[in-house]
Formats: sequence, C-alpha cells, structure tokens
Amino acid sequence: GNSVTQMEGPVTLSEEAFLTINCTYTATGYPSLFWYVQYPGEGLQLLLKATKADDKGSNKGFEATYRKETTSFHLEKGSVQVSDSAVYFCALSPSGYSTLTFGKGTMLLVSP
Amino acid sequence: SQTIHQWPATLVQPVGSPLSLECTVEGTSNPNLYWYRQAAGRGLQLLFYSVGIGQISSEVPQNLSASRPQDRQFILSSKKLLLSDSGFYLCAWSVPRRQEDEKLFFGSGTQLSVL
Repeated sequence: GNSVTQMEGPVTLSEEAFLTINCTYTATGYPSLFWYVQYPGEGLQLLLKATKADDKGSNKGFEATYRKETTSFHLEKGSVQVSDSAVYFCALSPSGYSTLTFGKGTMLLVSP
Repeated sequence: SQTIHQWPATLVQPVGSPLSLECTVEGTSNPNLYWYRQAAGRGLQLLFYSVGIGQISSEVPQNLSASRPQDRQFILSSKKLLLSDSGFYLCAWSVPRRQEDEKLFFGSGTQLSVL
C-alpha cells in the first residue's frame, strides 16, 4: 500500500536559518507528491506539489523536488521566518485521484 | 469564491454518546467531499469520500458513518462514540475534474475529545 514517512518534530529554528523537512514515500506507480501546511488555528492549505519525477514544486520560498530514485520529496527553505511556524504535512496521491495519503506532520517552530 | 465551513471547532463528548459533525461548501457545485481524521501521533487518514449525493465510499472500517443529504453538505456521524474516536477531523472538497483532482481544500477542523 501507499505510505508517507516524514521526520518527527518539532523542528526548532532561529529566524533566517535554513530549513529541511525530510519526506520519503512508498507507492505503486507514479504518484503525485504534495506538501500541505497548517498554520495555528487554520485548516490545511496546499503549499506546493509535483506530479512527476524531477519536478520541483515551489511556493512562498519553499521548494521540494520529486526524487524517484530515492523516493523522496524533502521540503526546503533558505531563510525561515517566524510566520512560517506551522505544521507541515507531506502527502501523495495516485495519479488522477484526490484520496491522499498523508504523513504524520512535522511541527516547525521559528523563533526571532 | 469557494468556501468550506466545518463545525463545531471543538467538541467534548462522553463515551457512548452520539456524534454529528457537519461540513458545507459554498461557491461550487457537485464537489468531491472528504472526511479525514488525524489521531494523536498518527498521520491524516482518509475516512470517507463522496462524489455525489448519497454516494459514500468508506476507506477504513470503523465506528463512524458519513452521509451526503445535499450536494454541498457532508455529515460525519456516530451512534456511540468510543475513546479511540478522539482526534482532529477535517472536511475537505475538491473539483471533480481530472486535471484538478489532486488539489484539496480543507476546512478548519474539529477537535473531538471523547472522555
């Protein structure tokens, strides 16, 4: 079956530090990969996605590259801000369906 | 613009009591609708999805049920809650077109505590 494994948190960083949140997946075929973000008190929002190998999704300074050879989709940002503090979820979807499989989520805490 | 409403935001219920969580979507027609749950220490798990009125697919066997009495209304229910039903419940919708299939829009969630 499909599964997503992401690093456990919380990840605690100072403002302007470099961020990496690891995500690896197990799936049959060629899934689409996603990062969702949940800010405090809000619902989940799509942050970025990639639909095929070597695609790079990017949004709000965050990036993630679909690596089929390592079955990974690590989230990175060069310089985090306090406002980036949130829970980040890695997810996958079999092509053409919205029935996502999510990781457990990683909490990011950024201090000034 | 489309919006999704989910309520209540928090709920504390005794074991054995019934449950009804409601979700409505505005600004779109015939959306695909979903209920997800995030239990403590676990990832988000898909519970139910619906592609139309009265059409419900269950992903995991459980103590819960879902209904879609109207096009933009999705209800999660239980006749008797268990302790293990505690968790964070999220409703979501998506546009039912292939190229848009993979983008979900989530509600703000309901934190359910069963005591």
